[in-house]
Amino acid sequence: GQNIDQPTEMTATEGAIVQINCTYQTSGFNGLFWYQQHAGEAPTFLSYNVLDGLEEKGRFSSFLSRSKGYSYLLLKELQMKDSASYLCAVRGEGGGSYIPTFGRGTSLIVHP
Amino acid sequence: NAGVTQTPKFQVLKTGQSMTLQCAQDMNHEYMSWYRQDPGMGLRLIHYSVGAGITDQGEVPNGYNVSRSTTEDFPLRLLSAAPSQTSVYFCASGTGYNEQFFGPGTRLTVL
Repeated sequence: GQNIDQPTEMTATEGAIVQINCTYQTSGFNGLFWYQQHAGEAPTFLSYNVLDGLEEKGRFSSFLSRSKGYSYLLLKELQMKDSASYLCAVRGEGGGSYIPTFGRGTSLIVHP
Repeated sequence: NAGVTQTPKFQVLKTGQSMTLQCAQDMNHEYMSWYRQDPGMGLRLIHYSVGAGITDQGEVPNGYNVSRSTTEDFPLRLLSAAPSQTSVYFCASGTGYNEQFFGPGTRLTVL
């Protein structure tokens, strides 16, 4: 099975940097996803890490350490529109494990 | 491309009623899945399919049935609705190698 932990809620100031952590325990590993979900909307894809290291995409970066079972999502130059829930999801290996398991999400509140 | 579509957007049922939530995708994805999302619980997998004719249970399958007769469609059936099934339901599709694409969701209330 899989166990995924991330903080329930975080707050940050507009223009600042915030790091959202995700730790996981899984019997097999085949990638980690980050999704963004605004209130009342569907999740949208942000990033996918399968190898160790940092992946950068504009203001958003995602880091993975497979040996530590750890990932983080880094959001720079925060904007009010970044207020959303951020979901960490882990994919296992084989068969139905290709369907990712999601953590409970981190609600990020950005204030002026 | 419409992506992943879901109908209806909203639904109110009485306890004991049955209904089908529709999901369709036009991206020729083999993998499709149904999640429910409740406050504080994240996305929990109900059922999934790895191709036409193949379905399997996820984490919370009780009270739900699925079928996959075509690549495009993956309906979710509630056999006898219960208040505990009040939730937001998301359908998703993907290749199994990269990200999943989510539909807009169905907001279901069971009275």
